[in-house]
Amino acid sequence: SAVISQKPSRDICQRGTSLTIQCQVDSQVTMMFWYRQQPGQSLTLIATANQGSEATYESGFVIDKFPISRPNLTFSTLTVSNMSPEDSSIYLCSALWGELFFGEGSRLTVL
Amino acid sequence: ILNVEQSPQSLHVQEGDSTNFTCSFPSSNFYALHWYRWETAKSPEALFVMTLNGDEKKKGRISATLNTKEGYSYLYIKGSQPEDSATYLCAFVQAGTALIFGKGTTLSVSS
Repeated sequence: SAVISQKPSRDICQRGTSLTIQCQVDSQVTMMFWYRQQPGQSLTLIATANQGSEATYESGFVIDKFPISRPNLTFSTLTVSNMSPEDSSIYLCSALWGELFFGEGSRLTVL
Repeated sequence: ILNVEQSPQSLHVQEGDSTNFTCSFPSSNFYALHWYRWETAKSPEALFVMTLNGDEKKKGRISATLNTKEGYSYLYIKGSQPEDSATYLCAFVQAGTALIFGKGTTLSVSS
């Protein structure tokens, strides 16, 4: 199995600011993913983080709003830029290691 | 747009009760159906990955069935315990696509 450490676990942010979420995997994995769960909604895939190339974004998500880094096979970051209250969500990073493993999530509240 | 529906949205049972939830998904181009258990402030934990029509899987008091032709899966919990309290997510996969999650069923078990 893969153990995924994610931080921060929660944060309260001001409108217009940006926050970077870090995700560390204890094994080298090819595919890492970033998900978001807005209140009352499904877990929704934001993007697939590819090592050595740009992330692949799902419909409705753009790089300017959610820039992603993937500098190596064990680490990725997601930045939520220019935040608004609508960005208040749980953000989860995940990695494919046979099956899909998840971090504990980052709960962001934007005031 | 692919849609995964879970019902009920929430459920409250007494300790010792048995219960079940439903996950409905598109029946075309089926590849796999995942069930996850997500406790508050923890990582979603994979319960089952099901790929074949008629699959039945069991882990302790939890079991799941799969009908790919009609597009549904049931998750059963026998003799619910307070520690079973969590949100249960199902996720549908078509070949070559990422997991598409339902909104989850939140189970609360009272002692």
